[in-house]
Amino acid sequence: GIQVEQSPPDLILQEGANSTLRCNFSDSVNNLQWFHQNPWGQLINLFYIPSGTKQNGRLSATTVATERYSLLYISSSQTTDSGVYFCAVERETSGSRLTFGEGTQLTVNP
Amino acid sequence: DAGITQSPRHKVTETGTPVTLRCHQTENHRYMYWYRQDPGHGLRLIHYSYGVKDTDKGEVSDGYSVSRSKTEDFLLTLESATSSQTSVYFCAISERGGYSYEQYFGPGTRLTVT
Repeated sequence: GIQVEQSPPDLILQEGANSTLRCNFSDSVNNLQWFHQNPWGQLINLFYIPSGTKQNGRLSATTVATERYSLLYISSSQTTDSGVYFCAVERETSGSRLTFGEGTQLTVNP
Repeated sequence: DAGITQSPRHKVTETGTPVTLRCHQTENHRYMYWYRQDPGHGLRLIHYSYGVKDTDKGEVSDGYSVSRSKTEDFLLTLESATSSQTSVYFCAISERGGYSYEQYFGPGTRLTVT
C-alpha cells in the first residue's frame, strides 16, 4: 500500500512562532487532506489539497504532487493550535481509501 | 460542520460480548467509512460503504462486520469483542462528486473491552 511519512513527529513552539510540517507519500494521489485533532479528540478538516496551494487565515498548505510531498505552514502560532496534525492521502488506484500518516504532535506554549 | 453523529460516544464492554456502533449522517453523502485510531498507528480503515447495501473491507477488517440499510446509517459490529479491539472508532462521510474526494469525520466512539 501507499506509505505516508510525516515530520517532525513532535514539535514544541512558543506562542507567536512559525512552523512547517511535512508529509511525504510514496505514490500518485487524487486526495490529500490535512486534519487537526484537538485535545478533545475531534478531527477537524484543515485543507483538501491534492495539488497546489491554499490559505486559510494563519494556515496555508502546498502540495507538489509530482514530487510527492505536502507542506502545512502555521504562522503566528497560538496555544489553540496545539494538538496532532495528520496528513491523509488516497491513492489514485485505491478506490476511496484514505491512508493516514502517524501525525505531528504540536505543542504551543504561552 | 458536517452533520455526523456517532453513538454511543463511550462504551465499556466485556470480552466475548457483541457490540454495535452507529454512525448517522444528515448530509445524504454516498460514501461512509469506519476507522479505528490507536497510539502509534494513526487512523486505519476498517470497512467502508459506497451505497446502500454496498460495502467493502479496509486494511483492518478482521473481527468486524458492517451494514448499511439506509443512506444515513452505517453500523459497525464486533461480533465477539476482544481486548485488541479497545480503541477509538471514527466514522467519516464523503460525497466524492465533482472534483472533491474530501472526507469529514464524526466525533468518535471510545470503546474499552475488559
